[in-house]
Amino acid sequence: EPEVTQTPSHQVTQMGQEVILRCVPISNHLYFYWYRQILGQKVEFLVSFYNNEISEKSEIFDDQFSVERPDGSNFTLKIRSTKLEDSAMYFCASRYTEPRVSPLHFGNGTRLTVT
Amino acid sequence: AQSVTQPDIHITVSEGASLELRCNYSYGATPYLFWYVQSPGQGLQLLLKYFSGDTLVQGIKGFEAEFKRSQSSFNLRKPSVHWSDAAEYFCAVGADSSNTGKLIFGQGTTLQVKP
Repeated sequence: EPEVTQTPSHQVTQMGQEVILRCVPISNHLYFYWYRQILGQKVEFLVSFYNNEISEKSEIFDDQFSVERPDGSNFTLKIRSTKLEDSAMYFCASRYTEPRVSPLHFGNGTRLTVT
Repeated sequence: AQSVTQPDIHITVSEGASLELRCNYSYGATPYLFWYVQSPGQGLQLLLKYFSGDTLVQGIKGFEAEFKRSQSSFNLRKPSVHWSDAAEYFCAVGADSSNTGKLIFGQGTTLQVKP
């Protein structure tokens, strides 16, 4: 069964550094998402992306965050200047069509540790 | 605003015993509801989903869930738990007010299985 693939599985960075988290969604999917889960807390929506533009973003997704689909397969999340509170598990997800027909498929996540 | 509550943060059951994980949602329209499972170090795997129709839905790994509109609940059940079911379980509701298909998650229930 096709999978959403995320790399790396664990990223350690120093505060103030830029990080790029990478995702390869399922190949025929059209809608892409990033979620995050701070340790011990809920999985939170960050951003959705469709037709090469952001379709919705949460309050968490401020100017420090950006997403990009640089080619036909990758979907990236960039954090420009990481803060300690950005430490979390970041999940990429994708779906093919409208949510009532096509549920979200999640990757295994990238654990980001900011020191 | 939509919200999801999972009242039980941690549940322990004996192997072979039945299981029920509770989920209550707050939503103005007809929701679409999901249960996801997260094993340690893994991503979120879809167990089952409810969009419409029969209020009792069957999922993978022997799980089922029942949608009760009058109680705003979507509880997950399994008649006989296996040790491999130990994981974290998340209930989620589709935020239909946004046409991006984002999900709102509950805080999760950690299931421990005693031998």
